[in-house]
Amino acid sequence: QEQLVQSGAEVKKPGASVNVSCKASGYTFSSYYIYWVRQAPGQGLEWMGRINPSGGSARYAQKLQGRVTIIRDTTTSTVYMELSSLRSEDTAVYYCARDRDEGGSGGFDPWGQGTLVTVSS
Amino acid sequence: SYEVTQPPSVSVSPGQTARITCSADSLPKQYAYWYQQKPGQAPVLVIYKDSERPSGIPERISGSSSGTTVTLTISGVQAEDEADYYCQSADSSGAWVFGGGTKLTVV
Repeated sequence: QEQLVQSGAEVKKPGASVNVSCKASGYTFSSYYIYWVRQAPGQGLEWMGRINPSGGSARYAQKLQGRVTIIRDTTTSTVYMELSSLRSEDTAVYYCARDRDEGGSGGFDPWGQGTLVTVSS
Repeated sequence: SYEVTQPPSVSVSPGQTARITCSADSLPKQYAYWYQQKPGQAPVLVIYKDSERPSGIPERISGSSSGTTVTLTISGVQAEDEADYYCQSADSSGAWVFGGGTKLTVV
């Protein structure tokens, strides 16, 4: 079945970078946008950005512009999200999700299982 | 910045109807999407494009739209419906924005 499997939990120090992976399976990787969404403890969902796996073009939330980078590897059907200059406020569960429509705007479905990133000195 | 507004909480008794509203300026021009999230789990899409229901979502969950407000309706609420619900839409530039979430309590 169509699924996204993310890499495991990370603990990072302030100022460091983190790289979270999202491996897709069960569908044609290049046909659907992949999004990244994060959720701080006890808080709501925050959209971080997206990538078009077909050409590799990415778009980022204005708030995170300059700190977040999303790339893909078509040979392994994997999308990577790197967040740099980490601070305590970046402690969150990070999710990847796929668009349900090939053209985008179909809603985010399915989702990965989430990756907890903890930023602590 | 662009805002998507939801009530923080809604309470309903089992068997009754729960309605969760979501307001945003762009909603007449942009679709809305709804997600259900239970503790410790990833969100699940329950409504897309204002009122469409993905396969596997019960018919008692529905969505509607009127002007700058969209509404998620859950009829015959069951204990299993207790969760956080998030509304999502896009701003004028196409960036995705989530509402703050609504905690549905079944009392």
